[in-house]
Amino acid sequence: QKEVEQNSGPLSVPEGAIASLNCTYSDRGSQSFFWYRQYSGKSPELIMFIYSNGDKEDGRFTAQLNKASQYVSLLIRDSQPSDSATYLCAAAIQGAQKLVFGQGTRLTINP
Amino acid sequence: ETGVTQTPRHLVMGMTNKKSLKCEQHLGHNAMYWYKQSAKKPLELMFVYNFKEQTENNSVPSRFSPECPNSSHLFLHLHTLQPEDSALYLCASSFRDIRTYGYTFGSGTRLTVV
Repeated sequence: QKEVEQNSGPLSVPEGAIASLNCTYSDRGSQSFFWYRQYSGKSPELIMFIYSNGDKEDGRFTAQLNKASQYVSLLIRDSQPSDSATYLCAAAIQGAQKLVFGQGTRLTINP
Repeated sequence: ETGVTQTPRHLVMGMTNKKSLKCEQHLGHNAMYWYKQSAKKPLELMFVYNFKEQTENNSVPSRFSPECPNSSHLFLHLHTLQPEDSALYLCASSFRDIRTYGYTFGSGTRLTVV
């Protein structure tokens, strides 16, 4: 079983709608979680991180963490075509000097 | 600029060539990483360095040779590569405790082996 799993997509969302990206993890020792956005041909850039149960909001982005169910999600409100990218979920696992990445979800926002 | 600089941005090399990729971070981080990202594949961790000591080698072929002279610089020496090694090579850096800030990635080197 992969340590961090994401639906690879593609996920297609109309402009202005809410895009919902999900991620599950297997290691209960995972302590914090990161969402990276990667445009085609570019490097990943950090957009959100979360370590407490519940929601964390930053502008149009909301990260949600449920440790009991071992899932993390990212909501993008008022989706824009510029949000079209691959979104990578990553977990920081206790005792490991590295992030464990999911395979990424490709998101397309349709005008 | 993210504070992590990779050079060159693009590299084309023959299978018999020797070349090096360079990564430099100006963030005061203690750990540095090399990742490989092939087309439509997930990120593959190659090497991890903590305070310039290698702490992880993810079964990488010996034609890839990393070097970390200090906490700010990381190199990846390449020799006798294969066409399947063509990929985006990403350098990242972090504080030793990655739980709060995660990684900062460089812009990557797009490598093509011909």
